[in-house]
Amino acid sequence: QVQLVQSGAEVKKPGSSVKVSCKASGGTFSSYSISWVRQAPGQGLEWMGRIIPILGIGNYAQKFQGRVTITADKSTSTAHMELSSLRFEDTAVYYCAREVVVAARQGNYYFDYWGQGSLVTVSS
Amino acid sequence: SYELTQPLSVSVSPGQTASITCSGDKLGDKYACWYQQKPGQSPVLVIYQDNERPSGIPERFSGSNSGNTATLTISGTQAMDEADYYCQAWDSGTGVFGGGTKLTVL
Repeated sequence: QVQLVQSGAEVKKPGSSVKVSCKASGGTFSSYSISWVRQAPGQGLEWMGRIIPILGIGNYAQKFQGRVTITADKSTSTAHMELSSLRFEDTAVYYCAREVVVAARQGNYYFDYWGQGSLVTVSS
Repeated sequence: SYELTQPLSVSVSPGQTASITCSGDKLGDKYACWYQQKPGQSPVLVIYQDNERPSGIPERFSGSNSGNTATLTISGTQAMDEADYYCQAWDSGTGVFGGGTKLTVL
Protein backbone atom coordinates (compact mmCIF):
# COMPACT_ATOMS: atom_id res chain seq x y z
CA GLN A 1 0.00 0.00 0.00
CA VAL A 2 1.60 3.24 -1.16
CA GLN A 3 1.46 6.13 1.29
CA LEU A 4 2.74 9.68 1.14
CA VAL A 5 2.92 11.20 4.61
CA GLN A 6 3.59 14.92 4.84
CA SER A 7 4.95 17.07 7.62
CA GLY A 8 2.68 19.11 9.83
CA ALA A 9 1.21 22.58 9.66
CA GLU A 10 3.49 25.60 9.77
CA VAL A 11 3.02 29.28 10.56
CA LYS A 12 5.59 31.56 8.97
CA LYS A 13 6.25 35.27 8.77
CA PRO A 14 6.37 37.15 5.47
CA GLY A 15 9.81 37.04 3.90
CA SER A 16 10.80 33.80 5.60
CA SER A 17 11.05 30.29 4.11
CA VAL A 18 9.19 27.05 4.71
CA LYS A 19 10.25 23.47 4.02
CA VAL A 20 7.60 20.78 3.71
CA SER A 21 8.47 17.09 3.59
CA CYS A 22 6.75 14.11 2.00
CA LYS A 23 7.79 10.61 3.07
CA ALA A 24 6.89 7.76 0.73
CA SER A 25 6.34 4.16 1.74
CA GLY A 26 5.07 1.04 0.06
CA GLY A 27 6.66 1.61 -3.33
CA THR A 28 10.00 2.13 -5.06
CA PHE A 29 10.73 5.76 -4.33
CA SER A 30 13.31 6.34 -7.05
CA SER A 31 11.05 4.98 -9.78
CA TYR A 32 8.58 7.86 -9.65
CA SER A 33 8.68 11.62 -9.86
CA ILE A 34 7.08 13.59 -7.06
CA SER A 35 5.15 16.75 -7.83
CA TRP A 36 4.04 19.49 -5.46
CA VAL A 37 0.62 21.05 -5.85
CA ARG A 38 -0.83 23.79 -3.69
CA GLN A 39 -4.36 24.97 -2.94
CA ALA A 40 -5.08 28.37 -1.45
CA PRO A 41 -8.17 28.60 0.79
CA GLY A 42 -11.31 28.19 -1.31
CA GLN A 43 -9.27 28.08 -4.51
CA GLY A 44 -8.23 25.51 -7.09
CA LEU A 45 -5.18 23.31 -7.50
CA GLU A 46 -1.91 24.80 -8.71
CA TRP A 47 1.09 22.77 -9.89
CA MET A 48 4.38 24.07 -8.51
CA GLY A 49 7.02 21.68 -9.77
CA ARG A 50 8.44 18.18 -9.60
CA ILE A 51 11.54 16.19 -8.73
CA ILE A 52 12.80 13.08 -10.47
CA PRO A 53 14.51 11.28 -7.56
CA ILE A 54 16.60 8.89 -9.64
CA LEU A 55 18.13 11.84 -11.48
CA GLY A 56 17.91 14.47 -8.75
CA ILE A 57 16.52 16.83 -11.35
CA GLY A 58 13.64 19.18 -10.74
CA ASN A 59 11.56 21.41 -12.96
CA TYR A 60 9.34 24.20 -11.79
CA ALA A 61 6.35 26.22 -12.89
CA GLN A 62 7.48 29.57 -14.22
CA LYS A 63 5.48 31.34 -11.52
CA PHE A 64 7.64 29.82 -8.80
CA GLN A 65 11.03 29.87 -10.54
CA GLY A 66 13.67 31.24 -8.19
CA ARG A 67 11.49 30.84 -5.09
CA VAL A 68 10.91 27.10 -4.90
CA THR A 69 13.36 24.25 -4.54
CA ILE A 70 12.27 20.62 -4.66
CA THR A 71 14.69 17.93 -3.56
CA ALA A 72 14.63 14.21 -2.85
CA ASP A 73 16.51 12.09 -0.36
CA LYS A 74 16.58 8.54 -1.72
CA SER A 75 18.03 7.18 1.54
CA THR A 76 14.88 8.16 3.44
CA SER A 77 12.39 8.06 0.52
CA THR A 78 11.49 11.65 1.29
CA ALA A 79 10.84 14.58 -0.99
CA HIS A 80 11.10 18.17 0.22
CA MET A 81 9.66 21.41 -1.07
CA GLU A 82 11.16 24.67 0.12
CA LEU A 83 9.45 27.96 -0.68
CA SER A 84 11.27 31.18 0.09
CA SER A 85 10.38 34.87 0.34
CA LEU A 86 6.96 33.94 1.65
CA ARG A 87 4.03 36.27 1.02
CA PHE A 88 0.56 36.35 2.56
CA GLU A 89 -0.81 34.85 -0.67
CA ASP A 90 1.36 31.75 -0.18
CA THR A 91 -1.03 30.67 2.56
CA ALA A 92 -2.28 27.35 1.25
CA VAL A 93 -2.42 23.60 1.67
CA TYR A 94 0.59 22.06 -0.03
CA TYR A 95 0.26 18.53 -1.42
CA CYS A 96 2.84 16.12 -2.73
CA ALA A 97 1.70 13.64 -5.37
CA ARG A 98 3.33 10.62 -6.95
CA GLU A 99 3.56 10.82 -10.71
CA VAL A 100 3.07 7.84 -13.00
CA VAL A 101 4.62 8.09 -16.45
CA VAL A 102 2.68 6.37 -19.21
CA ALA A 103 4.56 7.98 -22.11
CA ALA A 104 6.98 10.76 -21.25
CA ARG A 105 7.48 12.08 -24.79
CA GLN A 106 3.74 12.41 -25.25
CA GLY A 107 3.32 14.19 -21.93
CA ASN A 108 1.24 11.31 -20.62
CA TYR A 109 1.55 11.39 -16.83
CA TYR A 110 -0.88 11.29 -13.96
CA PHE A 111 -0.90 11.51 -10.16
CA ASP A 112 -1.97 8.25 -8.57
CA TYR A 113 -1.24 8.90 -4.89
CA TRP A 114 -1.42 12.13 -2.92
CA GLY A 115 -0.20 13.15 0.50
CA GLN A 116 -2.64 14.35 3.13
CA GLY A 117 -1.63 17.99 2.65
CA SER A 118 0.33 20.42 4.81
CA LEU A 119 -1.18 23.77 5.74
CA VAL A 120 1.24 26.66 5.53
CA THR A 121 -0.03 29.92 6.98
CA VAL A 122 1.86 33.14 6.30
CA SER A 123 1.01 35.66 8.96
CA SER A 124 2.70 38.61 10.60
CA SER B 1 1.25 30.05 -20.44
CA TYR B 2 -1.20 27.27 -21.16
CA GLU B 3 -4.65 27.54 -19.63
CA LEU B 4 -7.50 25.12 -18.99
CA THR B 5 -11.01 26.50 -18.52
CA GLN B 6 -13.83 24.75 -16.65
CA PRO B 7 -17.34 25.90 -15.73
CA LEU B 8 -17.55 27.03 -12.12
CA SER B 9 -20.49 24.81 -11.35
CA VAL B 10 -22.65 22.03 -12.74
CA SER B 11 -25.88 20.74 -11.24
CA VAL B 12 -27.45 17.34 -11.84
CA SER B 13 -30.34 15.34 -10.44
CA PRO B 14 -29.61 11.96 -8.86
CA GLY B 15 -29.57 9.21 -11.47
CA GLN B 16 -29.00 11.62 -14.35
CA THR B 17 -25.87 12.21 -16.41
CA ALA B 18 -23.44 14.98 -15.51
CA SER B 19 -20.96 16.38 -18.02
CA ILE B 20 -18.07 18.62 -17.02
CA THR B 21 -16.03 20.25 -19.75
CA CYS B 22 -12.44 21.43 -19.82
CA SER B 23 -11.25 23.68 -22.64
CA GLY B 24 -7.74 24.46 -23.78
CA ASP B 25 -5.94 25.24 -27.01
CA LYS B 26 -5.53 21.95 -28.93
CA LEU B 27 -6.21 20.05 -25.72
CA GLY B 28 -7.06 17.02 -27.83
CA ASP B 29 -3.38 16.79 -28.79
CA LYS B 30 -2.50 16.33 -25.13
CA TYR B 31 -3.58 13.82 -22.49
CA ALA B 32 -6.18 14.88 -19.94
CA CYS B 33 -6.72 13.62 -16.42
CA TRP B 34 -9.53 14.31 -14.00
CA TYR B 35 -9.37 14.53 -10.21
CA GLN B 36 -12.21 14.51 -7.71
CA GLN B 37 -11.83 16.42 -4.47
CA LYS B 38 -14.26 16.37 -1.56
CA PRO B 39 -14.14 18.97 1.21
CA GLY B 40 -11.16 18.57 3.50
CA GLN B 41 -9.72 15.69 1.47
CA SER B 42 -6.85 15.22 -0.95
CA PRO B 43 -7.67 14.91 -4.66
CA VAL B 44 -8.42 11.47 -6.09
CA LEU B 45 -7.69 10.43 -9.67
CA VAL B 46 -10.87 9.39 -11.51
CA ILE B 47 -9.74 9.47 -15.17
CA TYR B 48 -6.28 9.38 -16.75
CA GLN B 49 -5.05 9.24 -20.34
CA ASP B 50 -8.28 10.91 -21.49
CA ASN B 51 -10.58 7.96 -20.85
CA GLU B 52 -8.98 5.38 -18.58
CA ARG B 53 -10.37 4.59 -15.14
CA PRO B 54 -8.05 3.64 -12.28
CA SER B 55 -8.95 0.52 -10.38
CA GLY B 56 -11.61 1.21 -7.78
CA ILE B 57 -13.26 4.03 -9.73
CA PRO B 58 -16.87 3.18 -10.65
CA GLU B 59 -17.76 2.51 -14.28
CA ARG B 60 -20.16 5.47 -14.26
CA PHE B 61 -17.10 7.74 -14.65
CA SER B 62 -15.88 8.16 -18.21
CA GLY B 63 -13.85 10.65 -20.20
CA SER B 64 -13.22 11.90 -23.71
CA ASN B 65 -10.87 14.39 -25.29
CA SER B 66 -10.99 15.86 -28.78
CA GLY B 67 -10.30 19.17 -30.45
CA ASN B 68 -10.12 21.81 -27.75
CA THR B 69 -12.31 20.09 -25.17
CA ALA B 70 -12.00 17.25 -22.70
CA THR B 71 -15.17 16.03 -21.02
CA LEU B 72 -15.77 14.10 -17.83
CA THR B 73 -19.08 12.26 -17.86
CA ILE B 74 -20.75 10.74 -14.82
CA SER B 75 -23.63 8.46 -15.72
CA GLY B 76 -26.27 7.67 -13.12
CA THR B 77 -24.86 10.34 -10.81
CA GLN B 78 -25.08 9.55 -7.11
CA ALA B 79 -25.12 11.84 -4.11
CA MET B 80 -21.62 10.66 -3.22
CA ASP B 81 -20.33 12.14 -6.50
CA GLU B 82 -20.94 15.67 -5.23
CA ALA B 83 -17.46 17.21 -5.17
CA ASP B 84 -15.06 19.53 -6.96
CA TYR B 85 -13.60 18.17 -10.18
CA TYR B 86 -10.35 19.33 -11.75
CA CYS B 87 -9.02 18.60 -15.20
CA GLN B 88 -5.27 18.50 -15.67
CA ALA B 89 -2.84 18.26 -18.57
CA TRP B 90 0.84 18.81 -19.30
CA ASP B 91 2.26 21.50 -21.52
CA SER B 92 6.00 21.48 -22.29
CA GLY B 93 6.76 19.56 -19.10
CA THR B 94 4.65 21.84 -16.92
CA GLY B 95 1.55 20.66 -15.11
CA VAL B 96 -1.61 22.69 -15.64
CA PHE B 97 -4.90 22.38 -13.76
CA GLY B 98 -8.26 23.75 -14.72
CA GLY B 99 -9.93 26.07 -12.24
CA GLY B 100 -12.25 23.36 -10.98
CA THR B 101 -15.97 22.66 -11.26
CA LYS B 102 -18.27 22.20 -8.30
CA LEU B 103 -20.69 19.38 -9.03
CA THR B 104 -23.93 19.65 -7.10
CA VAL B 105 -26.29 16.66 -6.97
CA LEU B 106 -29.80 17.86 -6.12
